[in-house]
Amino acid sequence: DTEVTQTPKHLVMGMTNKKSLKCEQHMGHRAMYWYKQKAKKPPELMFVYSYEKLSINESVPSRFSPECPNSSLLNLHLHALQPEDSALYLCASSLNQGGDYGYTFGSGTRLTVV
Amino acid sequence: QKEVEQNSGPLSVPEGAIASLNCTYSDRGSQSFFWYRQYSGKSPELIMFIYSNGDKEDGRFTAQLNKASQYVSLLIRDSQPSDSATYLCAVTAGKSTFGDGTTLTVKP
Repeated sequence: DTEVTQTPKHLVMGMTNKKSLKCEQHMGHRAMYWYKQKAKKPPELMFVYSYEKLSINESVPSRFSPECPNSSLLNLHLHALQPEDSALYLCASSLNQGGDYGYTFGSGTRLTVV
Repeated sequence: QKEVEQNSGPLSVPEGAIASLNCTYSDRGSQSFFWYRQYSGKSPELIMFIYSNGDKEDGRFTAQLNKASQYVSLLIRDSQPSDSATYLCAVTAGKSTFGDGTTLTVKP
């Protein structure tokens, strides 16, 4: 299995809603990432988990809450988002935190906040 | 100065031509260098990686690295319309940093 699976593919939520994005990989990768990508911009790092522990939080607002239940799963809990949070949310994994062998990206969740 | 800079696009080449994509980086401690291809509306896909100075070839793609000049490039030979995408350069020094990307259009 060489894939990173993200669900849902599309999500529309109101500013008062709570929702979660899910990510799963079975490649034995020990680092997992959440990225946010706006149109015509590069991916912007949000969080890094290494060996199931949060190692990097790029000063992301607390309305985004990551969780890594085990080495294969990564969640991103969303609460009280703003319309400017609308973006493509990408999960990625790599063999190690440094990403020395590159990242495998999931297909992303297209999030719209209304 | 941005940590990773790519040549500003968009870049347009005719089918069959060589497309040249360039990237410079500021951290001399960078160890791994990657090129990702991202089709419109899709997620990035790793297409090439290079760790040592010199050239690395994979099919129609050649990655070139010059650590002294802090420069990495991607050449696409015999460009095809299916190569039309945004190409992201990424440099790793503890974590990966992406350039802004160069959008390539290959015209039939």
